[in-house]
Amino acid sequence: AQKVTQAQTEISVVEKEDVTLDCVYETRDTTYYLFWYKQPPSGELVFLIRRNSFDEQNEISGRYSWNFQKSTSSFNFTITASQVVDSAVYFCALSEAVNRDDKIIFGKGTRLHILP
Amino acid sequence: EAGVTQSPTHLIKTRGQQATLRCSPISGHTSVYWYQQALGLGLQFLLWYDEGEERNRGNFPPRFSGRQFPNYSSELNVNALELEDSALYLCASSLGQGMVYEQYFGPGTRLTVT
Repeated sequence: AQKVTQAQTEISVVEKEDVTLDCVYETRDTTYYLFWYKQPPSGELVFLIRRNSFDEQNEISGRYSWNFQKSTSSFNFTITASQVVDSAVYFCALSEAVNRDDKIIFGKGTRLHILP
Repeated sequence: EAGVTQSPTHLIKTRGQQATLRCSPISGHTSVYWYQQALGLGLQFLLWYDEGEERNRGNFPPRFSGRQFPNYSSELNVNALELEDSALYLCASSLGQGMVYEQYFGPGTRLTVT
């Protein structure tokens, strides 16, 4: 069965600190996709990254980086030199396409507070 | 390019009534997804429409239904409203068909059932 665990319910850091958001997933499929989305106070989820199960390369986009490790079933997200605008709820999600019966499950989210 | 739009922004209904929520996807996107975000329950997948057909539904009762129109816009209907249906309902669209593709979300409709 699919499962996504974001163990950190809420994190507070001071601006300019680095912060890592954890995501651990469970799946029996060999082909799957992982996502991170950001939900700012306005409510609209913003797509950040999509990664398929065959691509374990880490990715960096500006201050954002992602560490995908199949051995530990984790897809962690790091924000370097955090800014107040990074304050939001961050969701990790897992998607599988099983015989075209697509499924997606989101973690419960991590609320990130960046303090000025 | 316009993003995903949803209407209304807020909707207040009483228990037992019906609610209709609307969504317009990004131009060129044929897949539309609906999610419920209730307090404490996270984001739960409700329905997926593509090319006018329901492709998949989450673990919700049949009183949650919807449709997709020829212009790919969609509406979500919730019949016989219950208090626990109070939530933020998010619509998303994707260029690719299916939930393995990145989705672009609208601002949501906040439904309050009293």
